Amino acid sequence: GAGVSQSPRYKVAKRGQDVALRCDPISGHVSLFWYQQALGQGPEFLTYFQNEAQLDKSGLPSDRFFAERPEGSVSTLKIQRTQQEDSAVYLCASSPGQSQETQYFGPGTRLLVL
Amino acid sequence: GESVGLHLPTLSVQEGDNSIINCAYSNSASDYFIWYKQESGKGPQFIIDIRSNMDKRQGQRVTVLLNKTVKHLSLQIAATQPGDSAVYFCAENPSRGKLQFGAGTQVVVTP
Repeated sequence: GAGVSQSPRYKVAKRGQDVALRCDPISGHVSLFWYQQALGQGPEFLTYFQNEAQLDKSGLPSDRFFAERPEGSVSTLKIQRTQQEDSAVYLCASSPGQSQETQYFGPGTRLLVL
Repeated sequence: GESVGLHLPTLSVQEGDNSIINCAYSNSASDYFIWYKQESGKGPQFIIDIRSNMDKRQGQRVTVLLNKTVKHLSLQIAATQPGDSAVYFCAENPSRGKLQFGAGTQVVVTP
């Protein structure tokens, strides 16, 4: 009964570099969420998948951010041409069903863009 | 949500005392609310949730109160322990799937 896992746990990127962050949700969970958490603040919603369908991407800050979940399980958040303002903790969460259920969070990936 | 930068509101509590953490939510359409605990370097950990058709829910050592009239949520922790030291976030569910988090409260438990 493993929880949500994320990799890498830490990533240092040079400005302009592309990065890919991976999320393994709890097995069988239908819904998967990505959040961005800046230092000292609460998580901010980025995007939401139900199985492989991306139902809401309203929180993605720019077209440099792209998320996918092609087989309805593992998800990848990709950031192209990273900028310093992208430095944050990226959190993944999953929930068993479709909505209005507890979201279980992973440990996050801490991204530092230099 | 509102940003408080690096200076989170802090609640200092003596070990063994009860803690009350307050949260104002913003969206009248929200009908599901959650409290999370976040320790340094970790992801948010679920504590307790409540739906809008309830005004109180109890868990182990924790109670959540919901006042929809004034859009206020509170978390009560009984007999606070050193392990309760963390940042606590309330979150609301204004639309399908999306959680909107409050700014957070740092709880410091002193011996």
